[in-house]
Amino acid sequence: AQKVTQAQTEISVVEKEDVTLDCVYETRDTTYYLFWYKQPPSGELVFLIRRNSFDEQNEISGRYSWNFQKSTSSFNFTITASQVVDSAVYFCALSMDTGRRALTFGSGTRLQVQP
Amino acid sequence: SQTIHQWPATLVQPVGSPLSLECTVEGTSNPNLYWYRQAAGRGLQLLFYSVGIGQISSEVPQNLSASRPQDRQFILSSKKLLLSDSGFYLCAWSPGTGNYGYTFGSGTRLTVV
Repeated sequence: AQKVTQAQTEISVVEKEDVTLDCVYETRDTTYYLFWYKQPPSGELVFLIRRNSFDEQNEISGRYSWNFQKSTSSFNFTITASQVVDSAVYFCALSMDTGRRALTFGSGTRLQVQP
Repeated sequence: SQTIHQWPATLVQPVGSPLSLECTVEGTSNPNLYWYRQAAGRGLQLLFYSVGIGQISSEVPQNLSASRPQDRQFILSSKKLLLSDSGFYLCAWSPGTGNYGYTFGSGTRLTVV
């Protein structure tokens, strides 16, 4: 069975601070995919990144960066110089390569960026 | 390009009434389709997924059912709504082959009163 844990329920930072959202996953499969989604107050899920289990290279996209470490089964997400528009709920998710490919989500982390 | 449509955006229904939420995908063939529910302040729970017409897998026992009458149409239904059915319902699709991500609809906020 797969499981995703986002231990941080809510984080509050002041604008321009850096913030890291933690994600720990469990799976017995050797091939799997990890995702991050952003859910703004409107409710729609916005795709941020997809990573496969064979690609441990860290990724940077503007102010966003992701640190994938198979040794600790973690896929953490860092926002540098946070902005008020970053306020949202962020979900980490996991899917398998075969069989049931539906996403298994973590419980989400609510990020509040104060001006 | 592919798009996903989900409606209605908001729905208020009395307890015991029926429900029908519809989701359609454009620009792709044979997609995998999913229904998720998000209770207030909670994470997303997979309700149903479908890999083809008439093929529905249920993840949790509940008061809901799903159908896929056409390749790119996914319907979530209930004969009699319960208060506990309130939540935010999201439809999603992914390519039938490979694992290239999931695209979500804009969601339906259902309140059962």
